Amino acid sequence: NAGVTQTPKFQVLKTGQSMTLQCAQDMNHEYMSWYRQDPGMGLRLIHYSVGAGITDQGEVPNGYNVSRSTTEDFPLRLLSAAPSQTSVYFCASSYSGTIGEKLFFGSGTQLSVL
Amino acid sequence: SQQGEEDPQALSIQEGENATMNCSYKTSINNLQWYRQNSGRGLVHLILIRSNEREKHSGRLRVTLDTSKKSSSLLITASRAADTASYFCATAGGGSNYKLTFGKGTLLTVNP
Repeated sequence: NAGVTQTPKFQVLKTGQSMTLQCAQDMNHEYMSWYRQDPGMGLRLIHYSVGAGITDQGEVPNGYNVSRSTTEDFPLRLLSAAPSQTSVYFCASSYSGTIGEKLFFGSGTQLSVL
Repeated sequence: SQQGEEDPQALSIQEGENATMNCSYKTSINNLQWYRQNSGRGLVHLILIRSNEREKHSGRLRVTLDTSKKSSSLLITASRAADTASYFCATAGGGSNYKLTFGKGTLLTVNP
């Protein structure tokens, strides 16, 4: 199993550009989520999904869109990039997302918005 | 907002010494988890302790949980240079089944 795969690993955008961060998992996990990690801030939840067709907002959802058309994929879309979205983004998944499950993380996407 | 807060923010020790990191949280939890992050990598799950447990072991790791004080500690015994990483506590519960809330982490440096 490849686990959780994120692409790209690095990305530089100009303010106002849009892009999609890709996340795929091959563990048949129902729960998938996106976090951003900023220096001194820890990880903050952006959006999450408990199954295909079901998504919900996390702590910092503004400026991001998600959809879940398949169990395997959970892309994160930046609609109009802003410098405040410069961060490292992590996708994470678990079997069902119920309390008590550990998360499996991807290796991250480092995004810079100029 | 962060639920867990790790202490200290940074810790530097010599190889072979023990390392202790603490985590405090504010609201009731279902369980508390510890993760490790090596530089430039994703987080890796280390251990989970449920709210009705007081202590748990996994290899060189020992985790304690004191729900009355809303705190947990992670002890790494006989540290190795390869243990150099950031360590995060994460809490589950407090009204949501799905949201795992992370602290800001402790940066552990183990000097050879």
